[in-house]
Amino acid sequence: DVKVTQSSRYLVKRTGEKVFLECVQDMDHENMFWYRQDPGLGLRLIYFSYDVKMKEKGDIPEGYSVSREKKERFSLILESASTNQTSMYLCASSLYRNTGELFFGEGSRLTVL
Amino acid sequence: KQEVTQIPAALSVPEGENLVLNCSFTDSAIYNLQWFRQDPGKGLTSLLLIQSSQREQTSGRLNASLDKSSGRSTLYIAASQPGDSATYLCAALLMDSNYQLIWGAGTKLIIKP
Repeated sequence: DVKVTQSSRYLVKRTGEKVFLECVQDMDHENMFWYRQDPGLGLRLIYFSYDVKMKEKGDIPEGYSVSREKKERFSLILESASTNQTSMYLCASSLYRNTGELFFGEGSRLTVL
Repeated sequence: KQEVTQIPAALSVPEGENLVLNCSFTDSAIYNLQWFRQDPGKGLTSLLLIQSSQREQTSGRLNASLDKSSGRSTLYIAASQPGDSATYLCAALLMDSNYQLIWGAGTKLIIKP
């Protein structure tokens, strides 16, 4: 079974702090994604990556950056956390861009005070 | 604008009933459609993936169909159980979406014992 592991299930940070959310997948998937999920707004794509060291902006990249130094790891970085970044963050991976099944991690619930 | 719509937004049925969840998409040029389940506070679990060349997929009590010409997919759940209570989301990978999934808002399903 594919396993996507997010490093933290719950985080509480203060405004202005730098936040790292880590995601690791164990199935040699090419593609990795970061979404945020908010009530009434659904899932929104923040960033995605189709290969090591590659990244592409999704629908809402402002305030976020990402890093993919190794194929299995995709990190989401909040350079200076703000209260409007309080959300559920979901990492996902897939093998193929146009036919691949998407697998998600358990999610990271971030609260910014 | 490309959209995926799920109707109804919420559904409550007695245990044992068969039920159908609906998903419609605006563009018939589709790579695939995927159904997910999400339990409260958790990540998404992939249920079924239907490729463009397929008409349906089955897994246990679940059956998903895809009708590209009408822009519809249905998720059929047989003999529903209280453990099926969750939010069900569909996501379409449309050919004109730069390989980005278009998400429905989900159907919240409650199975009453």
